[in-house]
Amino acid sequence: DVKVTQSSRYLVKRTGEKVFLECVQDMDHENMFWYRQDPGLGLRLIYFSYDVKMKEKGDIPEGYSVSREKKERFSLILESASTNQTSMYLCASSSIRWQDSYEQYFGPGTRLTVT
Amino acid sequence: DQQVKQNSPSLSVQEGRISILNCDYTNSMFDYFLWYKKYPAEGPTFLISISSIKDKNEDGRFTVFLNKSAKHLSLHIVPSQPGDSAVYFCAASNSGYALNFGKGTSLLVTP
Repeated sequence: DVKVTQSSRYLVKRTGEKVFLECVQDMDHENMFWYRQDPGLGLRLIYFSYDVKMKEKGDIPEGYSVSREKKERFSLILESASTNQTSMYLCASSSIRWQDSYEQYFGPGTRLTVT
Repeated sequence: DQQVKQNSPSLSVQEGRISILNCDYTNSMFDYFLWYKKYPAEGPTFLISISSIKDKNEDGRFTVFLNKSAKHLSLHIVPSQPGDSAVYFCAASNSGYALNFGKGTSLLVTP
């Protein structure tokens, strides 16, 4: 079974703090993704990575950066947290094998509150 | 600009009846479609998918129908069970990388 883990389930941070969200997958997947989920807005893609040290902006990258130094780990960084970044953050991974390339496996999510 | 649209934010169905969740898309380049199910405080889990070369895919109680000319797909759940109560997301891909998600439909199955 694919397992995607996220470092925290719940996190409370203050405005202006630098925040690190960590994601680890154990299926040797090439692709990794960060989404945020907000009520009425669905899942929106922040960044994704298709290889170590490679990254691509998603739909809403402003205020975020990412790091992928190892294949199994993908970090999301909030450089200076703001209250409008209060959200549920979801990490996902997928394989590049053709028959598997579309299905993404999600972690349990991190509920971040910025006060 | 939302390329995948789920126009019904919520749906309520009686246990044992059919649930039909709808999804429309605007990008004709999408070639693969997926449905995910999400419980509160959990990550989405994959439910069922369909390639654009098919018009139907079935897996147990779940069937997905694709109408490419109308750019429309639907998820049928028969019979609906209380445990099916969750938020359902429709997603589409044209690259094999990122998925475009709809805003979700909250399904409530009442006993």
